[in-house]
Amino acid sequence: EPEVTQTPSHQVTQMGQEVILRCVPISNHLYFYWYRQILGQKVEFLVSFYNNEISEKSEIFDDQFSVERPDGSNFTLKIRSTKLEDSAMYFCASSGIDRVASEQYFGPGTRLTVT
Amino acid sequence: KNEVEQSPQNLTAQEGEFITINCSYSVGISALHWLQQHPGGGIVSLFMLSSGKKKHGRLIATINIQEKHSSLHITASHPRDSAVYICAVRVYGNKLVFGAGTILRVKS
Repeated sequence: EPEVTQTPSHQVTQMGQEVILRCVPISNHLYFYWYRQILGQKVEFLVSFYNNEISEKSEIFDDQFSVERPDGSNFTLKIRSTKLEDSAMYFCASSGIDRVASEQYFGPGTRLTVT
Repeated sequence: KNEVEQSPQNLTAQEGEFITINCSYSVGISALHWLQQHPGGGIVSLFMLSSGKKKHGRLIATINIQEKHSSLHITASHPRDSAVYICAVRVYGNKLVFGAGTILRVKS
């Protein structure tokens, strides 16, 4: 069964450093998402991406964040200058052709620890 | 006010019991998702509903659009059902808004 994959599974970085979290969505999916979950809190929407552009973003997704689909298979989330409060689990998700009717499939997550 | 409320927050059941987790929402939605999150953190989609009822194995999900309420039922619960169950609603656009989750523990 096709699945969303994410790398790395765990990333430790120092405050102020740039990190790139990588995702490989399901191959025929067209809609891509990033969510995050701070330890002990709800999952929160960050951004959605379609047709090579951001379709929606939350107030969390400020100028420190960017997303890219560099090669038609990977979908990346970049945090330019990490802060302690960026420590969280980051989930990538993808969904198919029909934006409304398609289910979102989640990757296993990347645990980001900022020290 | 939270847009998605789940109850209970924590639930402990004995193996074999019938379990119900509730979700209420206050916004207009195009679909509602029930998700399962295991201790390792990964999220698995259980159901996506826009009306009526769906069943998969021992899991049943229902939604009442007029009342803005959904329930997830687990029949004949088993220790392997122990996980966090999350209700999430799809709002305008395509983003999901998540509830806080219900921590379920099934004892043998």
